[in-house]
Amino acid sequence: AQTVTQSQPEMSVQEAETVTLSCTYDTSESDYYLFWYKQPPSRQMILVIRQEAYKQQNATENRFSVNFQKAAKSFSLKISDSQLGDAAMYFCAYRSGEGAQKLVFGQGTRLTINP
Amino acid sequence: KAGVTQTPRYLIKTRGQQVTLSCSPISGHRSVSWYQQTPGQGLQFLFEYFSETQRNKGNFPGRFSGRQFSNSRSEMNVSTLELGDSALYLCASSPQSHTEAFFGQGTRLTVV
Repeated sequence: AQTVTQSQPEMSVQEAETVTLSCTYDTSESDYYLFWYKQPPSRQMILVIRQEAYKQQNATENRFSVNFQKAAKSFSLKISDSQLGDAAMYFCAYRSGEGAQKLVFGQGTRLTINP
Repeated sequence: KAGVTQTPRYLIKTRGQQVTLSCSPISGHRSVSWYQQTPGQGLQFLFEYFSETQRNKGNFPGRFSGRQFSNSRSEMNVSTLELGDSALYLCASSPQSHTEAFFGQGTRLTVV
């Protein structure tokens, strides 16, 4: 079974600074997807960024980028120029490439932005 | 385009009762999946429906069941409620299984 581990329960960063959230996963599959989701106090899960395992290039979405290390099974999220609106729970998630829409989530990292 | 809609937003039930939660996916989306979120266990996959068929099921007891209708709307039912069923239940939809999931705001179920 696949597992996802987020070793940082809480992180904090000064506004406008850069922060990196860590995620490791375990799988024996070669075809899979990785995601970072954000869950603000409104509770709605919002997709931040996705990465296909077959792509060597790291995904980037505006201020959000990932460092995907397939051999190390590591998938960290870097947030640049942190903004107050970035404060939320961040979840790393894994999905098999086999087809079924089943996400395996990490335990989450609570990110606080200090003004 | 309207997002994923879950109803009701909040629910309080008594132990032993049953409950039905509803999820309306984004128009055109055929896959609907359900997750349970608790402080202790985190986010856990319940099941996925695609074109009215259950494609995958998580490790939950038979008290948890679901279905999907021809218009892709889905319902989740929990029978004989236990205190431990108190959780945020999240629904997600996607056009098909090979695409990212879009989540609703969840239903907060409290069992007393």
